[in-house]
Amino acid sequence: EDQVTQSPEALRLQEGESSSLNCSYTVSGLRGLFWYRQDPGKGPEFLFTLYSAGEEKEKERLKATLTKKESFLHITAPKPEDSATYLCAVQFMIKAAGNKLTFGGGTRVLVKP
Amino acid sequence: DGGITQSPKYLFRKEGQNVTLSCEQNLNHDAMYWYRQDPGQGLRLIYYSQIVNDFQKGDIAEGYSVSREKKESFPLTVTSAQKNPTAFYLCASRSGQHNEQFFGPGTRLTVL
Repeated sequence: EDQVTQSPEALRLQEGESSSLNCSYTVSGLRGLFWYRQDPGKGPEFLFTLYSAGEEKEKERLKATLTKKESFLHITAPKPEDSATYLCAVQFMIKAAGNKLTFGGGTRVLVKP
Repeated sequence: DGGITQSPKYLFRKEGQNVTLSCEQNLNHDAMYWYRQDPGQGLRLIYYSQIVNDFQKGDIAEGYSVSREKKESFPLTVTSAQKNPTAFYLCASRSGQHNEQFFGPGTRLTVL
């Protein structure tokens, strides 16, 4: 069964303390990997799409990278406003009909001033 | 402003009642999706529709029904057959040319 696993479940950082979030997936043919940010009580906000190993995308203090079996979301010098839950979703080749996504459980990030 | 709207934001239902959650988009997107989110769990796909008058079951369709009579609208009905309906419901849409799904603000359903 295709699965997406995110780690850690929760992350507490001091402002300015850089860190990385992990998203690993069972390999059955990756069509695309997506990162979202979700604030409490709100819908997920799209951040990045990655399609092939070696690809990188950046936005402000966030940088997403992709290997053959996992993706990392690096947060550089985070600020309190970066506190949120970060969701990873994978589009597998065999479930490509309808562009369906399989989501991980998310990583809750808290950045303290 | 283009976007996805969901209503109501909060919904309370008595056991045995059917309720309908609204999802509207003015992005001219072809595909629309309904997800359910439970605390500490990832989003799970309920139903999706790629074109008007057509929709497919997702991973957890039992106890739910949908319709897609207009491109802009994809309402979800939570029926009394859904045994554990209390959750946060999210609607998303996607254009035909891209893979990214964009989400609405969500509806929190509570069964009393």
